[in-house]
Amino acid sequence: QKEVEQDPGPLSVPEGAIVSLNCTYSNSAFQYFMWYRQYSRKGPELLMYTYSSGNKEDGRFTAQVDKSSKYISLFIRDSQPSDSATYLCAMTRGFNTGNQFYFGTGTSLTVIP
Amino acid sequence: KAGVTQTPRYLIKTRGQQVTLSCSPISGHRSVSWYQQTPGQGLQFLFEYFSETQRNKGNFPGRFSGRQFSNSRSEMNVSTLELGDSALYLCASSPLSSGGFETQYFGPGTRLLVL
Repeated sequence: QKEVEQDPGPLSVPEGAIVSLNCTYSNSAFQYFMWYRQYSRKGPELLMYTYSSGNKEDGRFTAQVDKSSKYISLFIRDSQPSDSATYLCAMTRGFNTGNQFYFGTGTSLTVIP
Repeated sequence: KAGVTQTPRYLIKTRGQQVTLSCSPISGHRSVSWYQQTPGQGLQFLFEYFSETQRNKGNFPGRFSGRQFSNSRSEMNVSTLELGDSALYLCASSPLSSGGFETQYFGPGTRLLVL
């Protein structure tokens, strides 16, 4: 079983839709939960992160972590064509133990104008 | 500050050959991690270096190796290439200075094709 599971999609939505992206994980030691966005021919870039459980909002993006269910989500409101990219969830135990991040396989999102 | 740079950007090799990829982290960043990205497996952790020492290693065969130099630049080497090694190899750096959350900044990757 992989440490992190993510539905690869692809996901295609009309402009303005609310998008929900999800990951599940198996290791209860994970403390930091991140979402990265990767455009074609580019490396991933951090969108936002959450420490432990709870919600975090940043503009049109909301990240949720439910540690009891080992489930994390990213919501995109009022989706735009510029949001079209691959979204990767990632998680880590911490930053003093070798800095190993565990990534999902990524969900490909297309927002249609 | 300049971002993470990786060279070369594209590479074509044949089975059995070896390859060396290079990564220059963001100035001041001391940690460099390497990942292999493929459509089926996503990003898989190869290894992480901090102050020239490998601190962590993923589940890859010994054909995959790396090193870090005193200026934090890093190289990874793959010997005896196999078709399955075709992938995007990503390097990421982080400062590891605060003890709290620090993201990894990724380079654009080196796309390796093994024929």
